[in-house]
Amino acid sequence: NAGVTQTPKFQVLKTGQSMTLQCAQDMNHNSMYWYRQDPGMGLRLIYYSASEGTTDKGEVPNGYNVSRLNKREFSLRLESAAPSQTSVYFCASSYDSPPPQYFGPGTRLTVT
Amino acid sequence: AQKITQTQPGMFVQEKEAVTLDCTYDTSDPSYGLFWYKQPSSGEMIFLIYQGSYDQQNATEGRYSLNFQKARKSANLVISASQLGDSAMYFCAMREGWNQFYFGTGTSLTVIP
Repeated sequence: NAGVTQTPKFQVLKTGQSMTLQCAQDMNHNSMYWYRQDPGMGLRLIYYSASEGTTDKGEVPNGYNVSRLNKREFSLRLESAAPSQTSVYFCASSYDSPPPQYFGPGTRLTVT
Repeated sequence: AQKITQTQPGMFVQEKEAVTLDCTYDTSDPSYGLFWYKQPSSGEMIFLIYQGSYDQQNATEGRYSLNFQKARKSANLVISASQLGDSAMYFCAMREGWNQFYFGTGTSLTVIP
């Protein structure tokens, strides 16, 4: 039982490059989330998915796209990376709201 | 306006003492939830405690308790009998609606031996 896993752990991109962050959970949770964490700003919700096949915007969705591939997997895509997207990205999952949300270990992304 | 406000960037507490971490929130939704998470230096987010807006009693989980004052819109975390392993960042968060979550900027807690 791995919980929530994220790949990769670290990534460096050049401005304009694209990449997909992968997230998977093995807890049979319905809801999944993507957050970014910037110094001094806490976590901010980018997108969430309440169930397979549905996605909704969070607080800071601009510059990102998501796909809920199946119940287990929820990916985050940066089509054209910008330095402002340098951050630590966390994926989380939960049965349904309310809690708790279980978080993955995070992906540290640097865009140069 | 900030949805979650944590006014204490850093706190120190003596080992075995109790400490209160402050959190105020802003919402007009009658149904909401309040959470606290711990983030050690290793970076993972660890769920500590949850309080629903309709819950009559303050939530408790072991050494953690949530002091919920609805009229004041505050949800302070109380850690009793602090341990060295409690040194970490602590985040207050709110669920608004079904799946909108908002986090505060965090409080860094240092436990002094």
